[in-house]
Amino acid sequence: EAQVTQNPRYLITVTGKKLTVTCSQNMNHEYMSWYRQDPGLGLRQIYYSMNVEVTDKGDVPEGYKVSRKEKRNFPLILESPSPNQTSLYFCASSSGQRGTEAFFGQGTRLTVV
Amino acid sequence: AQTVTQSQPEMSVQEAETVTLSCTYDTSESDYYLFWYKQPPSRQMILVIRQEAYKQQNATENRFSVNFQKAAKSFSLKISDSQLGDAAMYFCAYKDNDMRFGAGTRLTVKP
Repeated sequence: EAQVTQNPRYLITVTGKKLTVTCSQNMNHEYMSWYRQDPGLGLRQIYYSMNVEVTDKGDVPEGYKVSRKEKRNFPLILESPSPNQTSLYFCASSSGQRGTEAFFGQGTRLTVV
Repeated sequence: AQTVTQSQPEMSVQEAETVTLSCTYDTSESDYYLFWYKQPPSRQMILVIRQEAYKQQNATENRFSVNFQKAAKSFSLKISDSQLGDAAMYFCAYKDNDMRFGAGTRLTVKP
């Protein structure tokens, strides 16, 4: 089954404790991205990747890191989480063609206390 | 950067009636695509409908249709014969090399 898998789905952590949210897709998609969803703000892009070893900042990259060492994986790293990073996070992937839809993971609800 | 604006934070419709959700976008590109996604309480993002910018004909998927006005950069979603299961957040999205979303519209369906 074609899917994007994010883990964990829920996470509560403390300020400053490094964490990684994993994202994996099995559709051989070139494009992957991370979004955060906050009430009234919709989905805002954090980082995206057009292919392996190619990443770029989105609209809200501060406090986040990503890497794309393999085509299928695109982890999101919070080196020193802060309470303002409490949010719902989504990973998405799509093929390199413009017209194709994005496929989304199940979302990760992160709370930083 | 391209921006997507949804000016209606909340909308309400009576079951079996029709509702239209608004979306505008800003771009200097000529080759792009537009999407509507539905997000029910399960948080899953579900594709509702897509529109190619180079096509003048409006896309239709069963009870869902769009009114695409390229010159006005407008892309509204019409839901006909609304059902209780249509209640969700709806996001408008723009895509060229990368995808941007609006702030969303929360749709309530009244029985």
